[in-house]
Amino acid sequence: DAGVIQSPRHEVTEMGQEVTLRCKPISGHNSLFWYRQTMMRGLELLIYFNNNVPIDDSGMPEDRFSAKMPNASFSTLKIQPSEPRDSAVYFCASSLNGNNEKLFFGSGTQLSVL
Amino acid sequence: GQSLEQPSEVTAVEGAIVQINCTYQTSGFYGLSWYQQHDGGAPTFLSYNALDGLEETGRFSSFLSRSDSYGYLLLQELQMKDSASYFCAVRVRPNLNSGGYQKVTFGTGTKLQVIP
Repeated sequence: DAGVIQSPRHEVTEMGQEVTLRCKPISGHNSLFWYRQTMMRGLELLIYFNNNVPIDDSGMPEDRFSAKMPNASFSTLKIQPSEPRDSAVYFCASSLNGNNEKLFFGSGTQLSVL
Repeated sequence: GQSLEQPSEVTAVEGAIVQINCTYQTSGFYGLSWYQQHDGGAPTFLSYNALDGLEETGRFSSFLSRSDSYGYLLLQELQMKDSASYFCAVRVRPNLNSGGYQKVTFGTGTKLQVIP
């Protein structure tokens, strides 16, 4: 299996622009997580999907952030408009059967907002 | 909410044994996981404990005491490649209405430096 695939690996954008991060979970996994990692706050859970349905979005910082999972093999995290404080590494992770004992992480997207 | 505490940095000598502790405060606790992350890389799963006791996987072992809300990761025969950050993570059920959903919250990580 190819593992969790994220794109792009790196994104540099200017403040105010829209940013879309993409994730393809491992085939057959029905749980998907979006995390954000910074030095100050560590790994923060942003949103969790189970069977394509958002279950917990309490970690989404504000309305500028939105996430979708239109089907079992694709999810997006969108930031509109982006701000410099959104600069971080964004990870997508998936797990099998929703038990969440073991998460498989993608390589992450390094986002820099100038 | 959940809170996890682990040391920020640990240094150990190649070939030695090191223990990384994790204490947590949470309700709806299901289990404790450990992940390894090298600089510039993604977290990778190491182990999971749902019950009290020791789980061994090669050079790595993980321990859990539910009554003490405490766990640790034990790394034996340290190698230079073990230099990385190690995260504990709790799997919890946020509330009775969560429909079986288990949230995974990570600690702030322990940076392990292995020296010759």
